[in-house]
Amino acid sequence: EVQLLESGGDLVQPGGSLRLSCAASQFTFSNYAMAWVRQAPGKGLEWISTISTDIRDTYYADFVKGRFTVSRDNSKNTLSLQMNSLRAEDTAVYYCAKGWQMESWGQGTLVTVSS
Amino acid sequence: DVVMTQSPLSLPVTLGQSASISCRSSQSLVHSDGSTYLHWFQQRPGQSPRRLIYRVSDRDPGVPDRFSGSGSGTDFTLKISRVEAEDAGVYYCVQGTHWPRTFGQGTKVEIK
Repeated sequence: EVQLLESGGDLVQPGGSLRLSCAASQFTFSNYAMAWVRQAPGKGLEWISTISTDIRDTYYADFVKGRFTVSRDNSKNTLSLQMNSLRAEDTAVYYCAKGWQMESWGQGTLVTVSS
Repeated sequence: DVVMTQSPLSLPVTLGQSASISCRSSQSLVHSDGSTYLHWFQQRPGQSPRRLIYRVSDRDPGVPDRFSGSGSGTDFTLKISRVEAEDAGVYYCVQGTHWPRTFGQGTKVEIK
């Protein structure tokens, strides 16, 4: 069974930075594009970013362009999301998902941006 | 961006009855490769989302055949037949044809 384990969520001040990780197992990580999706408290799902298998192609939602950077390490089966210039509205549970079409999701990690 | 509009946003359903959720997109979801990347997710209370239906009508592994998807172009439907208590939660459609990916607002299914 596919396993995706997010980590790195924390309480951070506005303007601060945070790096999220997603450890993947039970599938061939290097064969799949990967995505990040978030969910603010009590709200719906919001796609953030997708990265191709070979890292050549990355896609971002407009609201994170220039602030967030997605990356992956296929040798370590790890997906990452570097988040800079964080705002209160970035407060959410952040999920990683497998594949171009987000077929499997992790349990999420909570990011709280507050002073 | 493609806007995904779901209706209704709240859906009370009696156990054993059927439920239908509509999802409309502001643009056609037919990809240049010929596929239509419209998917449905279920999110039970306190859980992460789970994909139920992909490419309009294909069920993901382990999804009961009570769940079915249909539609084409810009108009799609998720149907739940013989609703069970475990079907309570929020259902989202999402388009995977265009960038950025966009989700519907979610439909909360409540079991009466």
